[in-house]
Amino acid sequence: DTGVSQNPRHKITKRGQNVTFRCDPISEHNRLYWYRQTLGQGPEFLTYFQNEAQLEKSRLLSDRFSAERPKGSFSTLEIQRTEQGDSAMYLCASSRETQYFGPGTRLLVL
Amino acid sequence: AQSVSQHNHHVILSEAASLELGCNYSYGGTVNLFWYVQYPGQHLQLLLKYFSGDPLVKGIKGFEAEFIKSKFSFNLRKPSVQWSDTAEYFCAVNERDSSYKLIFGSGTRLLVRP
Repeated sequence: DTGVSQNPRHKITKRGQNVTFRCDPISEHNRLYWYRQTLGQGPEFLTYFQNEAQLEKSRLLSDRFSAERPKGSFSTLEIQRTEQGDSAMYLCASSRETQYFGPGTRLLVL
Repeated sequence: AQSVSQHNHHVILSEAASLELGCNYSYGGTVNLFWYVQYPGQHLQLLLKYFSGDPLVKGIKGFEAEFIKSKFSFNLRKPSVQWSDTAEYFCAVNERDSSYKLIFGSGTRLLVRP
């Protein structure tokens, strides 16, 4: 399968813990995006990378969130000191022109 | 701020009925427009897109959408739905030449009764 992959698919954590998610984009795509989706809503943009450079960040991305794409290939999204309000589906997408989405990581913060 | 409105949150149709899902966006500049679909248990998939040219765009599985610039609309249509079209449909916009991020509507859940 050559689509976007995300790991883990599910994560349950306790409030205050740190979590890290990984995204592997489609190999020839130079842009990588993170979105967050809560129940009943469409995905909301968090940040995006062109190669290894993080070019845009949403105001939704508080200082507890950090994303990296160190070699312009896979990316990680870390949430520090998780809060219950962080519970959501975290989606990754990659593109040349059109964005293709991964299956998401569903986070539940207890 | 840019926004995307999907007027119908839930739609229930019988098989063979015609479908039209509304999508309006607020942005005065040039945009690219998309419809994504999420089937139960699956991830978001591209249904169709409009970048430029013919405003009537045909996508997969018999779907089409029409871009009406004067109305800031990009409505999705299908002449005859099937049970397998049961899914959630999202309209999305990105501002051409200024940002690559997608702005999504809140989605429309479609249930097709056999």
